[in-house]
Amino acid sequence: GESVGLHLPTLSVQEGDNSIINCAYSNSASDYFIWYKQESGKGPQFIIDIRSNMDKRQGQRVTVLLNKTVKHLSLQIAATQPGDSAVYFCAPNAGNMLTFGGGTRLMVKP
Amino acid sequence: GAVVSQHPSRVICKSGTSVKIECRSLDFQATTMFWYRQFPKKSLMLMATSNEGSKATYEQGVEKDKFLINHASLTLSTLTVTSAHPEDSSFYICSASTLGSNYGYTFGSGTRLTVV
Repeated sequence: GESVGLHLPTLSVQEGDNSIINCAYSNSASDYFIWYKQESGKGPQFIIDIRSNMDKRQGQRVTVLLNKTVKHLSLQIAATQPGDSAVYFCAPNAGNMLTFGGGTRLMVKP
Repeated sequence: GAVVSQHPSRVICKSGTSVKIECRSLDFQATTMFWYRQFPKKSLMLMATSNEGSKATYEQGVEKDKFLINHASLTLSTLTVTSAHPEDSSFYICSASTLGSNYGYTFGSGTRLTVV
């Protein structure tokens, strides 16, 4: 079955610095990838997505990079703010089924 | 944007009772709804997938008689935890999607269930 892992379970960054959260996936049939942000006691919140025919997509302060060759994607957050503190999940999609990785906790130090 | 409303946000119940959690898509028709369970500091674990008008598909290890799912309309799915026990205490989250669109998945705000 699909396995999704993260390189860093906890990431601590200084406010204003850039953050990079990594994710590895195993299912080569994954054709759509979503990054979610989850704050304590809340449901996941959509951040950004990318399709398998792209290798980069930018949003407001966020960029997702996809490397299908090595089955890896990353989420980059520019000028990290205290409000960015949360758990971040990558979720590859294959056949209308999302699989969630273990999550990375991002802690922003003021 | 798409909004999914989940109620209640918190519920405390006694062992042996049943609890119903509702998941509604407010401004779109959800062809498929998903139910997840999340333990503290863990990732989301898919419990079941439900399509409107048909029986839910449960993941391996999830008891269908324990966790009853009904997807009676394109805007409402319910999860009923029957004969709840303390080990059923968890954070339950639903999500909804519409096939053929941009594969959009929208999540509810979650329900914290505590069984005492």
